[in-house]
Amino acid sequence: QSALTQPPSASGSPGQSVAISCTGTSSDIGGYNYVSWYQQHPGKAPKLMISEVYKRPSGVPDRFSGSKSGNTASLTVSGLQTEDEADYYCSSYAGSNNVVFGGGTKLTVL
Amino acid sequence: QVQLVESGGGVVQRGGSLRLSCAASGFTFSRYGMHWVRQAPGKGLEWVAFIQNDGSKKYYGDSVKGRFTISRDNSKNTMYLQMNSLRAEDTAVYYCTRDKFPWTSDIWGQGTMVTVSS
Repeated sequence: QSALTQPPSASGSPGQSVAISCTGTSSDIGGYNYVSWYQQHPGKAPKLMISEVYKRPSGVPDRFSGSKSGNTASLTVSGLQTEDEADYYCSSYAGSNNVVFGGGTKLTVL
Repeated sequence: QVQLVESGGGVVQRGGSLRLSCAASGFTFSRYGMHWVRQAPGKGLEWVAFIQNDGSKKYYGDSVKGRFTISRDNSKNTMYLQMNSLRAEDTAVYYCTRDKFPWTSDIWGQGTMVTVSS
């Protein structure tokens, strides 16, 4: 299975909104509503931010939202804060009992 | 609190073996499927393996199939990853994670580093 495609970097100023895309195929993102997003700060373990395309786990700020259209999923961070600066990874169920991750996007808060 | 703690990482020669452990606490371990996910230095995340809550079903990523074996002991609240025929490209931080939502890791351990030397 090929990795999902994410832009290597994204940026925004505090208070702005930024969207990170994650492109797959009809065999993964397009075929299932099992898209997740993870936030990872340097030297730390990843943290689940979005599950099942758009669901926010308890404790995740509502500034984080997820969506999907066709074979592309998106994570939108609204009202950017300095602590949002981190790497973000998407993942999707890819059928046949497999999971595929994106290559990651480094979000910089200018 | 809900916690996962990995152990067993270290330096091993190419072709060697290593067994990782993941100790769970703060939740009913036997109710959840579990994953191993790895991250090579400076690289992205890669899914390694999944085991169903009762251990009856196990699935592997293509890059480790036939070399790695996932298992669990619900009486000890512990999951394992037996890694054989290790290669340089297996060098990574290995995370154990809990599967609460379908094919989603909602809880992550702190990770254990595995280095395969040539």
